[in-house]
Amino acid sequence: KQEVTQIPAALSVPEGENLVLNCSFTDSAIYNLQWFRQDPGKGLTSLLLIQSSQREQTSGRLNASLDKSSGRSTLYIAASQPGDSATYLCAPQENTGNQFYFGTGTSLTVIP
Amino acid sequence: DGGITQSPKYLFRKEGQNVTLSCEQNLNHDAMYWYRQDPGQGLRLIYYSQIVNDFQKGDIAEGYSVSREKKESFPLTVTSAQKNPTAFYLCASSRERTAYEQYFGPGTRLTVT
Repeated sequence: KQEVTQIPAALSVPEGENLVLNCSFTDSAIYNLQWFRQDPGKGLTSLLLIQSSQREQTSGRLNASLDKSSGRSTLYIAASQPGDSATYLCAPQENTGNQFYFGTGTSLTVIP
Repeated sequence: DGGITQSPKYLFRKEGQNVTLSCEQNLNHDAMYWYRQDPGQGLRLIYYSQIVNDFQKGDIAEGYSVSREKKESFPLTVTSAQKNPTAFYLCASSRERTAYEQYFGPGTRLTVT
């Protein structure tokens, strides 16, 4: 069964800093990988989907990379803002396409 | 507005009662999913459905039941057989089973006492 680990579990940075969130997974035979953010008590908001044939995706200040062979993905956030404060979750999708597996997330606080 | 709605936002039930959580989507998505989220744990898949009148168990289906009679709707029933039902329940959908993003609803927080 796929195990997903996200490091660090919590991160606090001053506004304007660039930062990297890490995600590792045990089974490299994945189909896609999706990054989400979750605000307290809310549902998940999709940030980026990296399809199996891609190595990275970009959306605004966010850039996500995927290295399937090493079982790793990173989410890079440029010029962080207080509004970026949330929990960030990564979810690799198993290669049958039936299921996403979720990590416990990285809780990010951006200090004004 | 297109999206996924879940109702109610908060739900309180007495132990031993069955309760049904609603999930509706107007995105014309084929696949729908139910997850459970507990503090300190990642989301865990309860059930998923790829097409109307068909659904499969996820990792933690025991004590839950679902139906998929309409493409737009995927209700989840938490039965009295579920030993620890208090949790945050999230519904999601995607255009197809593979290659497309999952979109999530706002969630229902169920408390059973």
